[in-house]
Amino acid sequence: AQTVTQSQPEMSVQEAETVTLSCTYDTSESDYYLFWYKQPPSRQMILVIRQEAYKQQNATENRFSVNFQKAAKSFSLKISDSQLGDAAMYFCAYRIPNNDMRFGAGTRLTVKP
Amino acid sequence: EPEVTQTPSHQVTQMGQEVILRCVPISNHLYFYWYRQILGQKVEFLVSFYNNEISEKSEIFDDQFSVERPDGSNFTLKIRSTKLEDSAMYFCASSVRGSYNEQFFGPGTRLTVL
Repeated sequence: AQTVTQSQPEMSVQEAETVTLSCTYDTSESDYYLFWYKQPPSRQMILVIRQEAYKQQNATENRFSVNFQKAAKSFSLKISDSQLGDAAMYFCAYRIPNNDMRFGAGTRLTVKP
Repeated sequence: EPEVTQTPSHQVTQMGQEVILRCVPISNHLYFYWYRQILGQKVEFLVSFYNNEISEKSEIFDDQFSVERPDGSNFTLKIRSTKLEDSAMYFCASSVRGSYNEQFFGPGTRLTVL
């Protein structure tokens, strides 16, 4: 079974600081994809960043980057220079080709001014 | 930028009633999905749809649920006889292909069953 675990129900960070959100997953597949989605209070699901498992290089999108450790099945999200607008629920998700998305339970990020 | 739209944004219904949640996927997308998120819980997969048929469904998607693409643009989720536990946010998503491509999510419909 493919499962996604986010061990931090809540995290907080000071504005302009850096925070790392953890995610681990369990799979026997070799070809898969990992995503981080942001869900603000509006409840919309917004893609933050994605990583293809076959790529060794960690994905980066502006202030967002990941630390992808395939052997450890770990996929953490680092948010640099945190902004008030980053406050949201963050969901880690996993997907194998032609299959549905499996989500973790989420981490609620609070940004303190 | 094209986006997935969903209507209504909020639906309130009585237990036992039928509801239809509507979604308009991005026009050149071929794969369509419904997800559910009970308040405070994680997003759960319900069903995927391709080439006018269900390609995969979860154990949540029982006989009370059905999907269809009636007119080539809308993608609907019907709950035949709602239960209290069906109260949740329902997200529609679509993707160009069924591979790793990003699934674009709609804004969701909040369903409240009284």
